[in-house]
Amino acid sequence: GAVVSQHPSRVICKSGTSVKIECRSLDFQATTMFWYRQFPKQSLMLMATSNEGSKATYEQGVEKDKFLINHASLTLSTLTVTSAHPEDSSFYICSAAPTNYGYTFGSGTRLTVV
Amino acid sequence: GIQVEQSPPDLILQEGANSTLRCNFSDSVNNLQWFHQNPWGQLINLFYIPSGTKQNGRLSATTVATERYSLLYISSSQTTDSGVYFCAVDDSGGYNKLIFGAGTRLAVHP
Repeated sequence: GAVVSQHPSRVICKSGTSVKIECRSLDFQATTMFWYRQFPKQSLMLMATSNEGSKATYEQGVEKDKFLINHASLTLSTLTVTSAHPEDSSFYICSAAPTNYGYTFGSGTRLTVV
Repeated sequence: GIQVEQSPPDLILQEGANSTLRCNFSDSVNNLQWFHQNPWGQLINLFYIPSGTKQNGRLSATTVATERYSLLYISSSQTTDSGVYFCAVDDSGGYNKLIFGAGTRLAVHP
């Protein structure tokens, strides 16, 4: 139980374009989801907390206009990287709030901006 | 905010060896989880263990909440155990964020 599905797993985009990443809770409802970013050989850093039906809460230093988060339903949160640049290349991973199994993570999206 | 420190940062083992990974945290926690990140980036939930001891096959974990540390034991290590092990904590009730340690990078050689 408590499966989180994340798509796409890998995406390459041109500089200046936007990319949308989806995170779905498959067998439970998630009123809260979290988006993390991970650079090579580093730990996971929280970017924002996504709340169903309300605005996301961003961590200090994260540009809310660049990383748009939408949590329109109890099973879907999306992260859109707008006007992507090479420095946005990273591994993005979502997580759903605690279930009986603790926090559950998606499989991650490796974004490469060229 | 709460600080999470993991040790050792890197560990190299021969297949079959045992190891202990440590996670220290600076304040009381409501949740603590151990994850294994495989080479493809997938975070695999190993243990949800804010306190006490749990075992799952060759892996076991113990959290001593009053002393603010957790240990992950890997016995009879296999090459498939290679990867990065993260400890993450949540220091408040409700749906709050997980704070990750820097991780322990484990390499198991045949």
